[in-house]
Amino acid sequence: EVQLVESGGGLVQPGGSLRLSCAASGFTVSNNHMNWVRQAPGKGLEWVAVIYAGGSTSYADSVRGRFTISRDNSNNTLYLQLSSLTVEDTAVYFCARVPRGIDASDIWGQGTVAIVSS
Amino acid sequence: DIQMTQSPSSLSASIGDRITITCRASQSISTYLNWYQLKKGKAPKLLIYAASTLQGGVPSRFRGSGSGTDFILTISSLQPEDSATYFCQQSYRVPLTFGPGTRVDIK
Repeated sequence: EVQLVESGGGLVQPGGSLRLSCAASGFTVSNNHMNWVRQAPGKGLEWVAVIYAGGSTSYADSVRGRFTISRDNSNNTLYLQLSSLTVEDTAVYFCARVPRGIDASDIWGQGTVAIVSS
Repeated sequence: DIQMTQSPSSLSASIGDRITITCRASQSISTYLNWYQLKKGKAPKLLIYAASTLQGGVPSRFRGSGSGTDFILTISSLQPEDSATYFCQQSYRVPLTFGPGTRVDIK
């Protein structure tokens, strides 16, 4: 079965860090572009970052310099390292697959919740 | 950045009704427009990509149209399971941007 399962969310103080994981099954992460998208409480969807199949990355202005997207090909897992967190980073974080050729996220995980609070 | 707007922000309709949701981009995005359905506690679901291509497994009552800056999502006969929030998203260039969402309730 093709699926994505996120983990690693939790409660962290402002200024702290978290590492989110997204384990893939049924397909190879490195053969696809992969997005992180978040949804803050009561808000819409916000794109966070992408890692392309070729390995290059791109970030939203709101997280550039603080978040790092990466992947481990041996574990077929996507990561998002969150640093210098603020309360505005509180959200459900989703990972999503973008197969080459359709420019849309066709498979999404259920999300993992990051809460930044003192 | 490309700004996406949607209207209405919410609607309430009866089973069997035809509903339309409009999405507008702040500049031309050709047909790089996707529609997603989001239900509370669930993973977002891709409905339509490239403005009008139905994703596999999505019921044919969902239809997308448009190009350039103006796009429409139509549900031809609303079903109880269609109660959700619908988002458009442009994939023309990064940063990828989403519309604010349209909440669809069943009367």
